[in-house]
Order: sequence, then structure tokens, then C-alpha cells
Amino acid sequence: SQQGEEDPQALSIQEGENATMNCSYKTSINNLQWYRQNSGRGLVHLILIRSNEREKHSGRLRVTLDTSKKSSSLLITASRAADTASYFCATADATDSWGKLQFGAGTQVVVTP
Amino acid sequence: KAGVTQTPRYLIKTRGQQVTLSCSPISGHRSVSWYQQTPGQGLQFLFEYFSETQRNKGNFPGRFSGRQFSNSRSEMNVSTLELGDSALYLCASRPTGGPLYGYTFGSGTRLTVV
Repeated sequence: SQQGEEDPQALSIQEGENATMNCSYKTSINNLQWYRQNSGRGLVHLILIRSNEREKHSGRLRVTLDTSKKSSSLLITASRAADTASYFCATADATDSWGKLQFGAGTQVVVTP
Repeated sequence: KAGVTQTPRYLIKTRGQQVTLSCSPISGHRSVSWYQQTPGQGLQFLFEYFSETQRNKGNFPGRFSGRQFSNSRSEMNVSTLELGDSALYLCASRPTGGPLYGYTFGSGTRLTVV
């Protein structure tokens, strides 16, 4: 079963706009990670935020984590057509984290030129 | 630095057959995990190996098995294939250090059972 839900399920924006997607989860976690997947290929790791962190930046990516609400958000600023992909949040459970990530259902992002 | 290599990329098998998928992790990575991705169930954890030992296992039937070799390469095997086993199978590796690191995924093996 999947850990949580992502919102929205799909997002369509124009180049230059910002894209925000949210993730909720159910258990206590060690960390939360975001991945990108292009057209059913492998997942690409974007960013990891630990449970004791509240915000993290990497290039055009900004991730926030609210452990009290068991939620996270991923912001992609100044979107490009190459950002078109599915984005997944994944959590490493605090009590069952050996190699196991629990993924959300993903947000499908389409960026049009 | 080479990434995670999965072979084969595509596979078509008949119901009842068995299949073996291979994964070569990034050099130096000793942790290898396997995931199944389907449109209906999404990404689901199969198992994780570290230093040739299975440390964790997901909720899959015993038809799904795996192993890891001394060079950290891993294989997973599915016996008595069912139509529902059609999926993208992804392998991932990460450095020792546990929850501090994200995973590097391979491009996957797309298995079709007919």
C-alpha cells in the first residue's frame, strides 16, 4: 500500500511559471524524498529532507516539511519544458527504513512552451 | 561514474514461466532495493539487500525472490508468472549511511506477461 497522497494528481502550466505540489504521509519518518520520472523510465532523485529539517533548497527546487501535519511541498520555480515529468514523494519510515521507500501516487506535470 | 544498470530493458514472458532480472549498482554501493511499478498500484517495495543479506521485504508472494552477490550485483526472480506481474521493475542503490542519502535508480526492466 502507498504511504500517502499527492496533490494535485495533474498540473499543467506554462514555461516560466512556478509549479507547486503537495504530499501527505501517515507515519513517523526519517526523511522524505522527491523523485522525478520521465515517461515510465527510471526515477531521478531530486532532493532529500530529513525529519528535523523544515525547508531545503536545490537550484530551482524548494521543499518544505511539516512533520506536525505530516505533509511536504515541492516548489519548482521558473518551470521549463524539460520539467515535464511525473513527480513522486517518498518517505523512509522511522521504524522500517532499511532500503524501503513508500511512494505517493505522483503528480503529473506538463510544462508547455 | 556509471549509474545503476538493469538488464534486460524489455522482456516478454508467458504465464507460468519464470524470469530473472539483473541489477548492477553504482560501484561502492552495497544497498540494493527493488520496486515494482504498475498503473494500478503505483510504486511498491519488493525487497532490499545489503552485503548479500535481505534486510527488508515488502508484501509480495513467495514467487518473488531475490539475491545479492559478493560484488553487490543483485538479481530478482519471479516464478510461475501471472498476468498481473506485468510491470516496470526498478532497482535502486545507495551509499552506506542509511537515511542520509537518496537512491539512484536504474532505467528499469519492463516485463510483459502474456
